[in-house]
Amino acid sequence: EVQLVQSGAEVKKPGESLKISCKGSGYRFPNYWIVWVRQMPGKGLEWMGIIYPGDSDTRYSPSFQGQVTISADKSVNTAYLQWSSLKASDTAIYYCARSLTIYTGDWGFDPWGQGTLVTVSS
Amino acid sequence: QFVLTQSPSASASLGASVKLTCTLSSGHSNYAIAWHQQQPEKGPRYLMKLNSDGSHIKGDGIPDRFSGSSSGAERYLTISRLQSDDEADYYCQTWGTGYVVFGGGTKLTVL
Repeated sequence: EVQLVQSGAEVKKPGESLKISCKGSGYRFPNYWIVWVRQMPGKGLEWMGIIYPGDSDTRYSPSFQGQVTISADKSVNTAYLQWSSLKASDTAIYYCARSLTIYTGDWGFDPWGQGTLVTVSS
Repeated sequence: QFVLTQSPSASASLGASVKLTCTLSSGHSNYAIAWHQQQPEKGPRYLMKLNSDGSHIKGDGIPDRFSGSSSGAERYLTISRLQSDDEADYYCQTWGTGYVVFGGGTKLTVL
């Protein structure tokens, strides 16, 4: 079974750093793109960025470029999303998802991870 | 700017059918999209990839009640024989060279 399992909920203070994870199983992890998506409370889905674990080729949404870092370690089948200095406005659920196919630029996504709730509050 | 436009809300009665629309912005009418469902308090679930010619590939376990179609810049998701657990947010999503776009989502209420 193809599956993405995300790390657990986090509660952080403004200014703190954070790295959340997304572990893939049931498929060849290096060969499929992993996307990160933000969902703020009561809002829709926003594309943050996407990474190809095979060579760490990464593309960012202009809205998130410089605000977060996306990385992957193919030796442990895991993608990461990290912040160096969190803000209260980073409070959201963050989802990862896998590309439908191995082809670059064929970016429908299935499956999705279960989501990681990040709460940033003083 | 590539934009996907969805109506914020839709409603239909239990057992009836509903057709949700996703409109691609000008110049992008040949793009494929994906439809995703997000039930209350749950993560998104992939429903199908829908091509500009109306052909679609559904995800594993997606019932036959869910179907897709296309006309020009419009992409449709039709849900037949509505059930209570079809009440959810539905997002269309597409992609280009180096980017991904989500529509704003349609909140479907099953009456």
